[in-house]
Amino acid sequence: DTAVSQTPKYLVTQMGNDKSIKCEQNLGHDTMYWYKQDSKKFLKIMFSYNNKELIINETVPNRFSPKSPDKAHLNLHINSLELGDSAVYFCASSQTAGEGSEQYFGPGTRLTVT
Amino acid sequence: GDSVTQMEGPVTLSEEAFLTINCTYTATGYPSLFWYVQYPGEGLQLLLKATKADDKGSNKGFEATYRKETTSFHLEKGSVQVSDSAVYFCALSGYGNKLVFGAGTILRVKS
Repeated sequence: DTAVSQTPKYLVTQMGNDKSIKCEQNLGHDTMYWYKQDSKKFLKIMFSYNNKELIINETVPNRFSPKSPDKAHLNLHINSLELGDSAVYFCASSQTAGEGSEQYFGPGTRLTVT
Repeated sequence: GDSVTQMEGPVTLSEEAFLTINCTYTATGYPSLFWYVQYPGEGLQLLLKATKADDKGSNKGFEATYRKETTSFHLEKGSVQVSDSAVYFCALSGYGNKLVFGAGTILRVKS
């Protein structure tokens, strides 16, 4: 059983399109995250949700909108895709939002914008 | 703000060589520290962690000690294998448990 799963694994789309990435965790965790990994492998947090409430919203364009329908799911919708959005997007979850709570990562979604 | 600096790679070693990847951090207070590993085409896996000064995290032959006085968390392994080839990330846990990552260090082990 995959602990943190993401769909799709690969996403190729054109500039200007709107797309969504889905994430599910079956660990019973309260907190979920989205991270972006750029082409140089640098990882940066985008958002986090705790019990469906947004608690971290880093400096991310408002074309990106996360949604958490329940504690086990965190989706990422991206409007008007740009070339610079090409990256690998990782979902993660942790038991709590408390400092030091271990995060478990999904396999990533590689988004390519052409 | 919080930040993590780790040595640039790639680091290329022969099998059974000793590995050190340096990591230092800047943070308010004493955050938890982590090493994550990313194998090609995969997500990140937690390798080890330490939550307070002088704690030593260890896993699969890798070790790192939380040094408050030098704000460091260097990763070491006594004898690397080809299967250890991956990208290694040092990270700290900040506000809201967000992970702040270093730039990653590519490790290549030759047989």
